[in-house]
This record gives sequence, structure tokens and C-alpha cells, in this order.
Amino acid sequence: DSGVTQTPKHLITATGQRVTLRCSPRSGDLSVYWYQQSLDQGLQFLIQYYNGEERAKGNILERFSAQQFPDLHSELNLSSLELGDSALYFCASSVGRSLNTEAFFGQGTRLTVV
Amino acid sequence: QQQVKQSPQSLIVQKGGISIINCAYENTAFDYFPWYQQFPGKGPALLIAIRPDVSEKKEGRFTISFNKSAKQFSLHIMDSQPGDSATYFCAAPISSGSARQLTFGSGTQLTVLP
Repeated sequence: DSGVTQTPKHLITATGQRVTLRCSPRSGDLSVYWYQQSLDQGLQFLIQYYNGEERAKGNILERFSAQQFPDLHSELNLSSLELGDSALYFCASSVGRSLNTEAFFGQGTRLTVV
Repeated sequence: QQQVKQSPQSLIVQKGGISIINCAYENTAFDYFPWYQQFPGKGPALLIAIRPDVSEKKEGRFTISFNKSAKQFSLHIMDSQPGDSATYFCAAPISSGSARQLTFGSGTQLTVLP
């Protein structure tokens, strides 16, 4: 158990809908990262928050948004969903803001858009 | 634009054999090179990591070799076991504007035959 909690584990929704994925980082970790994993794209970095502020942005679509709350949990909002958004979404956390320390991953949320 | 190139895509090894996975990077500013291991249905977990001030790091059966001049680093799994069957990802921090993001290779699916 990495200590990172993601909910829900599975999500099935229709095209055009909006969903929210939730992540609780390890106790004491201030950074939260979101990754998308699909079969043909591997692990793609979406966005990082550090202590409530956006720190780095990757290939995140405009239909997607995220935030980190004062209690450090994070939510990833996906809207106007398309079939191609079906993927595993991982949250990871680390202690600091830099990337030269271990990042701990949750077990992911499997999103299926039908 | 792939800045961390990983090979091979898949690897089959007999029990007791040596598994070798390679990664090449383009950016010379990297200062941390982790390898992550992912089992089906689980999130990636840090296996071993190296910093470029050393050329090799060994932890049990797992060794990272780092070649700074060739901009390559590799993972060697000695005495491979069926329990090592998983997907392995190399990663490196890549600059993204004013911050860096942990960028993963495309992954290597390792199968160790009993």
C-alpha cells in the first residue's frame, strides 16, 4: 500500500458527461501529480500541484481541470468526455516540489467512456 | 516528442536469466533517473533510482548502470524470477516551462518463464 488513495476505482460514463476523480496523498506529502495511462500512450503527465498551487502542466486537455484543496487532497475534473478519454488515471504524491525524490502512486481510477 | 526512449517493448526471459532494459535520454539537465515497476491492476512503484554522480547502483538483484556520455541508463535484473514479471518504466525529470515533470519511457513488459 503506497498510502495514496484514489476514488473511485472504476467509473463508467457516457460521452459528453463530466466526472470527478479524487486523490488523497500520503500523509505529509505536499505535491500531487496526475497521470493518464492508456495502452498506446503509456504514462502521460497531466499536471502537478504543490501545496495548493499549480506547479507544472503537461499534456492536459482544456476539457480537463484539477485543483488541490487546503487539506491537500486533489480532484481531477474531466468534462465533455470522449471515447478516447477512456484510460487509467493515476495520482501520485511526493514530499517536495522537485522531482528528484520518490513519487508514490495510487492504484488508479479506470475510466470507461461509452 | 519523446525525450525518454525505452527498449525493448517486451522481453521474455527464462527463470534465472538476466533481464536488461535500456533507456536513452536527450536532455543533459537530468539529475535523477528512477525505474518504476508496475503489476497489472496496480500503480507504478519505485524500484530503484540513480543520480548521475555515480555510474552504477545495486540493490539486491536489481542494478542501474548509467552512461552519462552516451546519455543512456539501463536496468539489469539478475537471477530473474517469475515474480519479476511486470511492466518496467524508466523515467527522468524533464523541463516544462519553469518547472519539471517526471517523464516516463514507454514501458517494457517483462515475462519471466518458470
